[in-house]
Amino acid sequence: AQTVTQSQPEMSVQEAETVTLSCTYDTSENNYYLFWYKQPPSRQMILVIRQEAYKQQNATENRFSVNFQKAAKSFSLKISDSQLGDTAMYFCAFMKRMEYGNKLVFGAGTILRVKS
Amino acid sequence: KAGVTQTPRYLIKTRGQQVTLSCSPISGHRSVSWYQQTPGQGLQFLFEYFSETQRNKGNFPGRFSGRQFSNSRSEMNVSTLELGDSALYLCASARVGTEAFFGQGTRLTVV
Repeated sequence: AQTVTQSQPEMSVQEAETVTLSCTYDTSENNYYLFWYKQPPSRQMILVIRQEAYKQQNATENRFSVNFQKAAKSFSLKISDSQLGDTAMYFCAFMKRMEYGNKLVFGAGTILRVKS
Repeated sequence: KAGVTQTPRYLIKTRGQQVTLSCSPISGHRSVSWYQQTPGQGLQFLFEYFSETQRNKGNFPGRFSGRQFSNSRSEMNVSTLELGDSALYLCASARVGTEAFFGQGTRLTVV
């Protein structure tokens, strides 16, 4: 079974600064996806970024980028130029690549507070 | 393009009752998954449907069931409600093997 661990329950950052959220996972699979989702107070789960395990290049989406270390089973999220709207719970998630199915395994989440 | 729609948004039920939650996926998405979110257990996978067939199932009792219709809309049913079933229930839709998009959730309170 796969597990996802987020070791930082809460973090805070000043507006415009950079913050990194950590995530490690455990799997024996070789073909999978990793995601970061954001859940603001509205409770809507929003996809931030995705990474396919077979791709060595780290994914980037505007101010969001990941550091994917497959051998170390590490998948951290870096948020640059933090904005007040980035305040949310961030979840790291794993998904095994299957013919059918989109089963996500989530970490416990990290609450990020951006301060002005 | 419309997102994932869950109805109702809020529900209050009494212990022992049953409840049905509905999820309409994004057009063209044939995979629908359900998750339970609680403060104590976090986000837990309930089950997933693709082409009207349950493809994956989480570790929940048989009181939790679901189905998917030919238009990919899905329903989740919980029978004999318990206080511990109080949670945010999230539905997600996806094309197979790609990222999932979530609805706004149904907040269920069991009293």
